[in-house]
Amino acid sequence: DTGVSQDPRHKITKRGQNVTFRCDPISEHNRLYWYRQTLGQGPEFLTYFQNEAQLEKSRLLSDRFSAERPKGSFSTLEIQRTEQGDSAMYLCASSLVGDIQYFGAGTRLSVL
Amino acid sequence: GQQLNQSPQSMFIQEGEDVSMNCTSSSIFNTWLWYKQDPGEGPVLLIALYKAGELTSNGRLTAQFGITRKDSFLNISASIPSDVGIYFCAGPHNNNDMRFGAGTRLTVKP
Repeated sequence: DTGVSQDPRHKITKRGQNVTFRCDPISEHNRLYWYRQTLGQGPEFLTYFQNEAQLEKSRLLSDRFSAERPKGSFSTLEIQRTEQGDSAMYLCASSLVGDIQYFGAGTRLSVL
Repeated sequence: GQQLNQSPQSMFIQEGEDVSMNCTSSSIFNTWLWYKQDPGEGPVLLIALYKAGELTSNGRLTAQFGITRKDSFLNISASIPSDVGIYFCAGPHNNNDMRFGAGTRLTVKP
C-alpha cells in the first residue's frame, strides 16, 4: 500500500495560466476527495467522486475549476485562468464508502 | 453549515508537559476524528471516535467523544519535540465530505 500520491508537490505559475494536478488514491478505495487549504485554516471540501461519478461539488468550486476521474482510479484537478486567490495547498484524500479518509501530501500552488 | 471550533489556536509548551485541546461543534456529529499535520504535508489520522462518551487511546494520545456529540478533546501526555505540528478535529458532513476545525498549532520547546 503506497498511500495517496499527489503530483506535483509544488507548482508556481503566473496569473492567467492553467494548471493541472494529479492524485493517485489508495488502490482499493472507491471514493476520492479534493480539498483546498489556505494558511491558518483547516482543509475545505471541494468535490468528491465515487468511482467515476462526481457526486458532490462545493460552492468553493468555481467554473474555472474542473475535476475528473475518468477510469475510477486517478483523478485530475484543473484550474483555468489562475488567480492569486487560488494560491493554496490542494489536498486529495481517498476512502472506502463510509470509511475514514486518508490524505496525500498535497500540491502547494503559488500564483504570481 | 456545520462549524468546528478548536481551542486553543496555539500552544507553547515545554517538553515533557501534558497538552489538552478541544473542539466544539454547532451541531451533532456521529464521528469525531483527530488529524495531525506537519509543515508541507497532508493531515495524518491520529484517532477516530465513533460513539458518544467513547474514550480512545493511541500511545501517548487520548481522545474522547463528548456525551452531547457536539464536542471532543485530545490529550497528549509527556510531550516530545516531534509532537510539534497542527492538530485538527474533523467530522463527516452528510457522510460524504469532511469538515475541519481551524487547528491547534503546538510548539514544544526542548
